[in-house]
Amino acid sequence: AQKVTQAQTEISVVEKEDVTLDCVYETRDTTYYLFWYKQPPSGELVFLIRRNSFDEQNEISGRYSWNFQKSTSSFNFTITASQVVDSAVYFCALSEANGRGGTSYGKLTFGQGTILTVHP
Amino acid sequence: DTEVTQTPKHLVMGMTNKKSLKCEQHMGHRAMYWYKQKAKKPPELMFVYSYEKLSINESVPSRFSPECPNSSLLNLHLHALQPEDSALYLCASSQARGYTEAFFGQGTRLTVV
Repeated sequence: AQKVTQAQTEISVVEKEDVTLDCVYETRDTTYYLFWYKQPPSGELVFLIRRNSFDEQNEISGRYSWNFQKSTSSFNFTITASQVVDSAVYFCALSEANGRGGTSYGKLTFGQGTILTVHP
Repeated sequence: DTEVTQTPKHLVMGMTNKKSLKCEQHMGHRAMYWYKQKAKKPPELMFVYSYEKLSINESVPSRFSPECPNSSLLNLHLHALQPEDSALYLCASSQARGYTEAFFGQGTRLTVV
């Protein structure tokens, strides 16, 4: 069975601080996919990043960066110079290959989410 | 365009009512999903449609009935719901082949009274 753990339930920072959201996962599959989604108060889940299990390259996109380490089964997310608009619930999610040539059907297992509040 | 549109955005219904939630996407995705999200909890998968066929039903009660009339539309028919079914219902879509992410709509906030 697969599992995603986001140990930080809530994080509160002041604008311009850097913040890291932790994500640890468990899976028996050798091929899997990891995601981060942002959920603002409006409710929509906004896709941020996908990382495939065979690609351990870290990624930076503007103020966002992701650190994927298979050795520790972690996929952490850092926001640099946080802004009030970053306030949201952030979910880490895992999807296993469904056996059909490694495709991912969006059957996501989510962590419990981390509520990030950025104060002005 | 990575938009998934859900209607209505809010719905209040009685336990004897019948209502439907609608979801539409025009990204050419052939996999569509319904998720249920209770307050302060992560989304939980309900149904998966792949090429307009139901491929996964996560043991959802029969008072929830999904329908995929074509590759762009997904409906969720509701009947005889209970107050504990009140939640945010999220629709999502993705490619049905290859390495892919799911794109979500804004959801329908359902209240059962």
